[in-house]
Amino acid sequence: DVKVTQSSRYLVKRTGEKVFLECVQDMDHENMFWYRQDPGLGLRLIYFSYDVKMKEKGDIPEGYSVSREKKERFSLILESASTNQTSMYLCASSSQTGLDSYEQYFGPGTRLTVT
Amino acid sequence: TQLLEQSPQFLSIQEGENLTVYCNSSSVFSSLQWYRQEPGEGPVLLVTVVTGGEVKKLKRLTFQFGDARKDSSLHITAAQPGDTGLYLCAGARSDYKLSFGAGTTVTVRA
Repeated sequence: DVKVTQSSRYLVKRTGEKVFLECVQDMDHENMFWYRQDPGLGLRLIYFSYDVKMKEKGDIPEGYSVSREKKERFSLILESASTNQTSMYLCASSSQTGLDSYEQYFGPGTRLTVT
Repeated sequence: TQLLEQSPQFLSIQEGENLTVYCNSSSVFSSLQWYRQEPGEGPVLLVTVVTGGEVKKLKRLTFQFGDARKDSSLHITAAQPGDTGLYLCAGARSDYKLSFGAGTTVTVRA
């Protein structure tokens, strides 16, 4: 069974802290994604990686960075957390083969609260 | 501004009733997907539609892709409490990325 796991389900951090969110997939997928999900706004793409050490900004990259040192692992970093980064963070992966390349598999999400 | 508009935003119905969720855009998509997300979990892919006018059925769920590939609908027949969740449509963008609608929250009361 395909699996995407995220390091924490719930996280509470203080304003200004550096926050690491980690995601691991076991499907040997080339593509990995980080989204944030807010009520009424759906899923918004933060960053995308299509290969190890390769990254591309999504629609809302400000205040975030990412790291992909290994194919199976994609980390999202909040350099200095702010209250407006309180959100649900979802990681996803997909292959690069034909139509399957648009079928994304999601982790369970990390609900981050910044106080 | 959402590239994909979903309606309604919320839907609450009695078990056994039918429901339809709509996903509309001014953009043409090469493919469109529907996901369901249950509370505390990530979205799970239900179906991908590719061809304009295509209809796909998944048990009591029927998915349709518009002829112009700009819109889609999800119809659930005889809804059950297990159908409760957030339904998201997503259109294929370039380079493996998706654009998501804001979602429709469906509640089926027993």
